[in-house]
Amino acid sequence: DGGITQSPKYLFRKEGQNVTLSCEQNLNHDAMYWYRQDPGQGLRLIYYSQIVNDFQKGDIAEGYSVSREKKESFPLTVTSAQKNPTAFYLCASSIQGLAYSSYNEQFFGPGTRLTVL
Amino acid sequence: AQSVTQLDSQVPVFEEAPVELRCNYSSSVSVYLFWYVQYPNQGLQLLLKYLSGSTLVKGINGFEAEFNKSQTSFHLRKPSVHISDTAEYFCAVSRGPSSNTGKLIFGQGTTLQVKP
Repeated sequence: DGGITQSPKYLFRKEGQNVTLSCEQNLNHDAMYWYRQDPGQGLRLIYYSQIVNDFQKGDIAEGYSVSREKKESFPLTVTSAQKNPTAFYLCASSIQGLAYSSYNEQFFGPGTRLTVL
Repeated sequence: AQSVTQLDSQVPVFEEAPVELRCNYSSSVSVYLFWYVQYPNQGLQLLLKYLSGSTLVKGINGFEAEFNKSQTSFHLRKPSVHISDTAEYFCAVSRGPSSNTGKLIFGQGTTLQVKP
C-alpha cells in the first residue's frame, strides 16, 4: 500500500543534542512538507520541498534543517538551536509542489512525538 | 494573506446528537477549503474539500460542510455522531485558482468529545 512513514513514533532527546526525524513516501509525490503541531496552535509549516535537491523555509524554520536527496525521503533535523523542540512533528506530501498547482491535497504521515528531557 | 479561525476549541456532545464545528476564514482572493480529522497520536486524514461548484460538500464518515462566501465560513456538520468520531478536527484554507501556490493555512483545531 502507498503511504507515508515516519520514524520513530516517539523520540527523546537531551538538551543540546541534534536529532533527525525520518519521513519516507512511496506515493511518487513531488512535494513534501514538515509541520510542527503544538496544543491549541494548529499546524505550522517548518520546511517544504517541491523537487529533489530543493527546499524552502516555511513559517517557523529557525532551529531546523532538512535535505531532499531522494524523491521519496525528506528528513528533518532538529538542532540544538531550536529553543522549544518538544512537539508533535508531521510530515506530508502532495503530487505537485506549491508553485505548480493552486490546489494540492496533502497526505500526512502518522507523526513523531519529540520530547526534550 | 489568509487566516483561519475555528471558533470552538472543544465541543462536547452526546452520542447520536447532531454537531456543528465552526470555521471562519479571511482572504482577499478566492480560496479552497478543507477539513481534516486527527485521531489521537495519528496523522491527519482529509474529511472533505471545497474547490468550486456546489456549496454543500459531502465527505467521508457522514460529514458535510457548507461554504458560505458572504459569511466567509465553512462549518462542518454531522446529523448523528458516534463515539468513534471523537477526535481533533482542523479547518484549512489555500488560495484558489487565482494563485499559483497551494500552501495550506490551518486553524487551531477543535476537539470533538462524543459522550455515551
